[in-house]
Amino acid sequence: GENVEQHPSTLSVQEGDSAVIKCTYSDSASNYFPWYKQELGKRPQLIIDIRSNVGEKKDQRIAVTLNKTAKHFSLHITETQPEDSAVYFCAASSGAGSYQLTFGKGTKLSVIP
Amino acid sequence: NAGVTQTPKFQVLKTGQSMTLQCAQDMNHNSMYWYRQDPGMGLRLIYYSASEGTTDKGEVPNGYNVSRLNKREFSLRLESAAPSQTSVYFCASIGSTRANTEAFFGQGTRLTVV
Repeated sequence: GENVEQHPSTLSVQEGDSAVIKCTYSDSASNYFPWYKQELGKRPQLIIDIRSNVGEKKDQRIAVTLNKTAKHFSLHITETQPEDSAVYFCAASSGAGSYQLTFGKGTKLSVIP
Repeated sequence: NAGVTQTPKFQVLKTGQSMTLQCAQDMNHNSMYWYRQDPGMGLRLIYYSASEGTTDKGEVPNGYNVSRLNKREFSLRLESAAPSQTSVYFCASIGSTRANTEAFFGQGTRLTVV
């Protein structure tokens, strides 16, 4: 089955700096790569996603890049703010039938004011 | 439109007791999932149901059973709870079209087995 590795497990940045979280996946059939944000005590929520026919996608301060050849994708957050502090999960799915998502272990991002 | 509703929110069980976690979605999604979340382990898939009438094991199915009661409801049962099942459980549903693959999660159930 699919295996998703996520790094780093914790990340601290100063407010206004950029944060980058990286994930690798093992199944070359995977073609859908979402990122979820989970605030303390809350449910995970989708913040951005990318499909395998796209190399980069941007939404305001967040962007995701995908390198299908190397089987890795990354989340970039620019101009970080304290409200960006949360746990971020990457995931991969083959999108075949049930869209079964395999998640990385998560990155705890702390933005220091 | 409530999205995904999951009950209960908190539960304490004694070892050996049984319980059922309930999940319902009102988005007409075909696929539903049960995940458990443990510190440093991310979200691990327990069971999923690709459509009404079907269920399949995920990564960590041992000690659990599921029932897809109808298109809306997907329940998770612990027949004989063990301390290793102490975790936060999330139900999720996903649409079945290429343009509708966002996973919507319930609010979670914090289960403690003593």
